Amino acid sequence: AQTVTQSQPEMSVQEAETVTLSCTYDTSESDYYLFWYKQPPSRQMILVIRQEAYKQQNATENRFSVNFQKAAKSFSLKISDSQLGDAAMYFCAYRKGGSEKLVFGKGMKLTVNP
Amino acid sequence: SAVISQKPSRDICQRGTSLTIQCQVDSQVTMMFWYRQQPGQSLTLIATANQGSEATYESGFVIDKFPISRPNLTFSTLTVSNMSPEDSSIYLCSVTPRLAGGGGNEQFFGPGTRLTVL
Repeated sequence: AQTVTQSQPEMSVQEAETVTLSCTYDTSESDYYLFWYKQPPSRQMILVIRQEAYKQQNATENRFSVNFQKAAKSFSLKISDSQLGDAAMYFCAYRKGGSEKLVFGKGMKLTVNP
Repeated sequence: SAVISQKPSRDICQRGTSLTIQCQVDSQVTMMFWYRQQPGQSLTLIATANQGSEATYESGFVIDKFPISRPNLTFSTLTVSNMSPEDSSIYLCSVTPRLAGGGGNEQFFGPGTRLTVL
């Protein structure tokens, strides 16, 4: 079975600084997708960024980028120029190709200090 | 993308009663998913609801406890039956919209229903 591990339950960062959230996963599949979701106190799950396993290039969305290390099964999220609105729970998630099911990590609480 | 609404947004219920949560999507979707998020925890998939067929439940979840309806391509309900305080959670529905040309398959989430069982 696929598993997703987020080993850091909490992190904090100063506003305008950069922070990296770690995620590792375990799978024997070759076709899969990885996601980072953000859940602010409003509870709304928001997709931050996604990565297709077959793509070597790391995904980037504005201030958010990933470091996808396929051999190491690592998928970290880098947030640059952190903003107060980035404070939230962040969940790493995995989806096998051809399946719609998401497997989530335990999440990590990010605090942004002014 | 997809806009998803859930009703109720929150409720406080008595032990032994049942609550039905509604999930409405602004577009037709093949699959709808129901998740449970216990306090301070991650999301756990309860079941997958396909229109016109029985829902598929994940290990640890049964139809008698969490009956699901999927009458059409834009609507689903999840009932939490015979509730106990351990059922206090946030319940979220999510969908994967159809995309022309395939690919994508982003999963979008509703705002969640916060359930407290006394």
